[in-house]
Amino acid sequence: DIVMTQSPDSLAVSLGERATINCKTSQSVLHSSNNQNYLAWYQQKPGQPPKMLLYWASTRESGVPDRISGSGSGTDFTLTISSLQAEDVAVYYCQHYYTFPVTFGQGTRLEIK
Amino acid sequence: EVQLLESGGGLVQPGGSLRLSCAASGFTFSNYAMKWVRQAPGKGLEWVSGISAGGATYYADSVKGRFTISRDNSNNIVYLQMNSLRAEDTAVYYCAKLKGRNNIDYFDYWGQGALVSVSS
Repeated sequence: DIVMTQSPDSLAVSLGERATINCKTSQSVLHSSNNQNYLAWYQQKPGQPPKMLLYWASTRESGVPDRISGSGSGTDFTLTISSLQAEDVAVYYCQHYYTFPVTFGQGTRLEIK
Repeated sequence: EVQLLESGGGLVQPGGSLRLSCAASGFTFSNYAMKWVRQAPGKGLEWVSGISAGGATYYADSVKGRFTISRDNSNNIVYLQMNSLRAEDTAVYYCAKLKGRNNIDYFDYWGQGALVSVSS
């Protein structure tokens, strides 16, 4: 199985500042056939189910604000929130869909400093 | 609007059984793979079981032989039959829709979850 490792486990950022969450995969999730990274990011607010944010590592789902972006390729990926808002407090998960079984990172808790 | 509504959760003794249901609406159900993902209290997300649009089924090693996933395309429902339940199966179980027909994809919609508690 592909192991997903997120860092840090938790993060406190001031309102309006940048938040950066990292995700490392134990093997490349870049598919040579289409040059796409099979990686997604989700946001889970307290008491709610996860919500899709990004797929193909950097494509925003409809309705996701453009302050949230994704980058990276191969085995190293980053979720960036450019200017933290109060509604961004949540746990963020990365997930690969490169092969069976799909697996998730352990989650990164983002709080307001 | 896509909606996924889970039901059937509850408290059960170790060794007991439960059946979860997920009623789907707002999309052509038969065209998409569906999965169950669970989240133990205070923990992360764990894929449990999936069923492709064509009916192929998949299970995590932790539940293989104990859980059975099925789908009713006529009524737009996916089920998870859980037998021989253990304390470590205690979790919120989410029904989730995959982006495509097959089991290897990302999740574009999630239900609100059903709580399963296994305790004596």
